[in-house]
Amino acid sequence: QSALTQPPSASGSPGQSVTISCTGTNSDVGSYNYVSWYQQYPGKAPKLMIYEVTKRPSGVPDRFSGSKSGNTASLTVSGLQAEDEADYHCSSYAGNNNLLFGGGTKLTVL
Amino acid sequence: EVQLVESGGGLVQPGGSLRLSCAASGFTFSGCSMNWVRQAPGRGLEWLSVISPDSNYIYYGDSVKGRFTISRDNAKNSLYLQMNSLRAEDTAVYYCVRDGSGWSRDLWGQGTLVTVSP
Repeated sequence: QSALTQPPSASGSPGQSVTISCTGTNSDVGSYNYVSWYQQYPGKAPKLMIYEVTKRPSGVPDRFSGSKSGNTASLTVSGLQAEDEADYHCSSYAGNNNLLFGGGTKLTVL
Repeated sequence: EVQLVESGGGLVQPGGSLRLSCAASGFTFSGCSMNWVRQAPGRGLEWLSVISPDSNYIYYGDSVKGRFTISRDNAKNSLYLQMNSLRAEDTAVYYCVRDGSGWSRDLWGQGTLVTVSP
């Protein structure tokens, strides 16, 4: 199975909102509400930001939100802050005990 | 402190073997499914394998099936990855990762670098 598709880059100015997409197929994103999003700073380990499409772990700011429509999931960061500049990765359960990740999106705060 | 600490990475020749270890602390390791995930330089994340708390269920991604073996020792709060027949494309940072809700991965180690090169 192929990796999920994310745009290589996204950007926005402080205070703005930016949305990052994650496109799969009807065998993964489209079939299961098991989409997660991870934030990763350079040289650091990923951090879980969103799970089960829309849920936020304790401690994650409510500026981060997730959604899904059909085979595409999205992460929206509202009220952009300089500290949000990082790589963001999506993942989805793909059936048969298999987990797929996207290629990652570099978010730049202008 | 809740943490995962990987070790065992390094330089290995193509065709060689390496065993990675992960030491868990600060949580009930024996109650958690555990994973290995890797990230090649400048690339995205790739899920490799998961093992259930009692080791009864083990699954692998297609790219490592038959070459890599995941295992755990709950008495030592440790997770392992035996990697055989290594190839250049296995060069990556390898992360030890705890299962979260809904197929998420909620706790990550700092990673250990494996370089496969002559």
